[in-house]
Amino acid sequence: GENVEQHPSTLSVQEGDSAVIKCTYSDSASNYFPWYKQELGKRPQLIIDIRSNVGEKKDQRIAVTLNKTAKHFSLHITETQPEDSAVYFCAASKGGYQKVTFGTGTKLQVIP
Amino acid sequence: NAGVMQNPRHLVRRRGQEARLRCSPMKGHSHVYWYRQLPEEGLKFMVYLQKENIIDESGMPKERFSAEFPKEGPSILRIQQVVRGDSAAYFCASSHGQGSDTQYFGPGTRLTVL
Repeated sequence: GENVEQHPSTLSVQEGDSAVIKCTYSDSASNYFPWYKQELGKRPQLIIDIRSNVGEKKDQRIAVTLNKTAKHFSLHITETQPEDSAVYFCAASKGGYQKVTFGTGTKLQVIP
Repeated sequence: NAGVMQNPRHLVRRRGQEARLRCSPMKGHSHVYWYRQLPEEGLKFMVYLQKENIIDESGMPKERFSAEFPKEGPSILRIQQVVRGDSAAYFCASSHGQGSDTQYFGPGTRLTVL
């Protein structure tokens, strides 16, 4: 089955700096890659996703890049703010009647 | 437009009792997924259901756990004879279509086994 690895497990950045979280996946048939943000005690919430027919997608301060050849994808957060502090999960899916496989999460701390 | 609903939000059970967790998907969604999350850990897939069908239960423990998503009503995750190790947050998510459709999560049920 699909295996998703996520790094780093924890990340501390100064407010205003950029944060990058990286994920790799094992199944070349995967074609959908969402990212979720989970604040303490809350539900995971989708923040951005990318499909395999594009290499990059941006939404304000958040961007995701996908390298299908290398089977890795990354989340980039620019101009970080304290409210960006949370756990971020990457995920991958092959579509069809296939489950979504989640990474192990990255705990991001933005220091004011 | 109500999101994914879960109830109860908090559930306390004594060892040996049964726990029933309910999930109502978003309107128009026919696919439901259940995940378990231990404190400070990631989301562990348990089961993927479509109305009246179990699509993938590869993450479900073989004993004591079962799930259903009937034609009418919410999806139910049932844990029989709970043990302390079952204490966790249980999230369900729903999607409109198949695996590559966006999943939206409910608020979770926090199960505590005494």
